[in-house]
Amino acid sequence: GAVVSQHPSRVICKSGTSVKIECRSLDFQATTMFWYRQFPKQSLMLMATSNEGSKATYEQGVEKDKFLINHASLTLSTLTVTSAHPEDSSFYICSARGGGLQETQYFGPGTRLLVL
Amino acid sequence: DAKTTQPTSMDCAEGRAANLPCNHSTISGNEYVYWYRQIHSQGPQYIIHGLKNNETNEMASLIITEDRKSSTLILPHATLRDTAVYYCIVRGRGTDKLIFGTGTRLQVFP
Repeated sequence: GAVVSQHPSRVICKSGTSVKIECRSLDFQATTMFWYRQFPKQSLMLMATSNEGSKATYEQGVEKDKFLINHASLTLSTLTVTSAHPEDSSFYICSARGGGLQETQYFGPGTRLLVL
Repeated sequence: DAKTTQPTSMDCAEGRAANLPCNHSTISGNEYVYWYRQIHSQGPQYIIHGLKNNETNEMASLIITEDRKSSTLILPHATLRDTAVYYCIVRGRGTDKLIFGTGTRLQVFP
C-alpha cells in the first residue's frame, strides 16, 4: 500500500507552547488528508478533513483556531496545536488519499504529544 | 454512514484461521465495507474493502453476505503479529470520512 509519514513521532512540550506535526504522502499525491486524535484505550476520532489548497473542514466540537491545519501541497499537510495544554496530550494520526472519493485512505504512524 | 457492530474481543490460536464478524444491518446500496487494523501505538493499516462481492488479497479475505447486512474478515493463518484491534467501517460512496467504532481486539496466542 501507499506510504504516509509523520514527523515527529513523539513530542513533549510545555503548556502554552505551539506544536507542529507534519504529514507527508511519500509515493502518491494526496488530494485529501485527514487528521485524527486518539486518547488512551479509545478509538480514533476524526478531527478535520483538508483538501489541497483550500481550508480544512472541522468536525463538530473541534476548535479550528486551536488546531490549525494547512494543506499547502499535494504531499504535505500540517497540524499545529496552538497554546497546547495537558488535555491536548494525545496520539495524533493523519491519513491521506489520492484521486477520487473511493480511493483508499492510508494512515501515518502517528505522533504522540505530551503536554506538561 | 451505516453503523457497524463488532465483538469486543476474540482469541485465535497461531496458525489457525481468524474469522472476525461485523454486522452492518443498516448498510445502503452504495456503501462500501472497509477493514483496517491497528497494532498497539501505530497508525491503522488498511486490510481490504468490498461492496458486495467477496474479496481476497495477500492479507485477508472479505466475505460479504448476499443481503450485505454482515461481513466476515478472514485471516487464513493467524500469526502473533496479527494481534491488533480490527475495525470494520462502512463508508458511503459520496463521502471521504472513515468513522471508527470500537473494533475487535484480536489476540493471537501461541
